[in-house]
Amino acid sequence: AQSVTQPDIHITVSEGASLELRCNYSYGATPYLFWYVQSPGQGLQLLLKYFSGDTLVQGIKGFEAEFKRSQSSFNLRKPSVHWSDAAEYFCAQDMRFGAGTRLTVKP
Amino acid sequence: SAVISQKPSRDICQRGTSLTIQCQVDSQVTMMFWYRQQPGQSLTLIATANQGSEATYESGFVIDKFPISRPNLTFSTLTVSNMSPEDSSIYLCTHWEPLYGYTFGSGTRLTVV
Repeated sequence: AQSVTQPDIHITVSEGASLELRCNYSYGATPYLFWYVQSPGQGLQLLLKYFSGDTLVQGIKGFEAEFKRSQSSFNLRKPSVHWSDAAEYFCAQDMRFGAGTRLTVKP
Repeated sequence: SAVISQKPSRDICQRGTSLTIQCQVDSQVTMMFWYRQQPGQSLTLIATANQGSEATYESGFVIDKFPISRPNLTFSTLTVSNMSPEDSSIYLCTHWEPLYGYTFGSGTRLTVV
C-alpha cells in the first residue's frame, strides 16, 4: 500500500533562516504529490503539487519542492522563513497523507 | 478550481446520536472523498464516493458507522452514526480535479460529549 513518510514531527527555525521539510513517498509509477499547510484552527491550503514534468515545483508563499524519483522524495523548501509560516505541513501522495511536520518559527 | 461548501461547520453532539454532514460542490465532479482528522493528527481517508455506485471504504471504516450518500455529481453526505467521544474530529470533504489535484472544504469540527 502507498505510504507517505514525514520523518520530522517538529522543526524549529529562526525567522529569516532557510527551511527544508522532508517527505518520502512509496513507489508509484507516476505519483501525484502535494504539500499542504494548515494553520491552527484553519483548513488545508494547497502549497504546491507535482504531477509530471519539471521536477522543481514552485508554489505559493515562496515555497518550492523538488521531486527526486531516485530518492523517492519530495522535500519542501523555503529560502527565508517568516513568522507567519508557523503551521502544520502535510505531504500527500495521491489520497494518502503523511503524519505532518509542525513548524515553529523563532523570532 | 471548484469550490466546496460543508455544513455544518461545527457541532457538539451527544454520544449515541448521529450527525449528517453535507458537502456541496459548485460544479459536477466524479470522485469525492471523505477524510477524518482527529485532534493533533493527520488526515485519514474514510471513503471514496462516486455517483451511481456504493462508497468504497478504507480499512477500519465501515458503512454502518459512516454511511455515505452520493445522489448526484455535486453533492454528498457523510453520517457519523452512534457517536462516541472517539469520533470527535474534523471531517473533510474533497474532490479531485485533473489540473488542480484535491480541493478541500473547510471541514466540520465535531465534538461528541
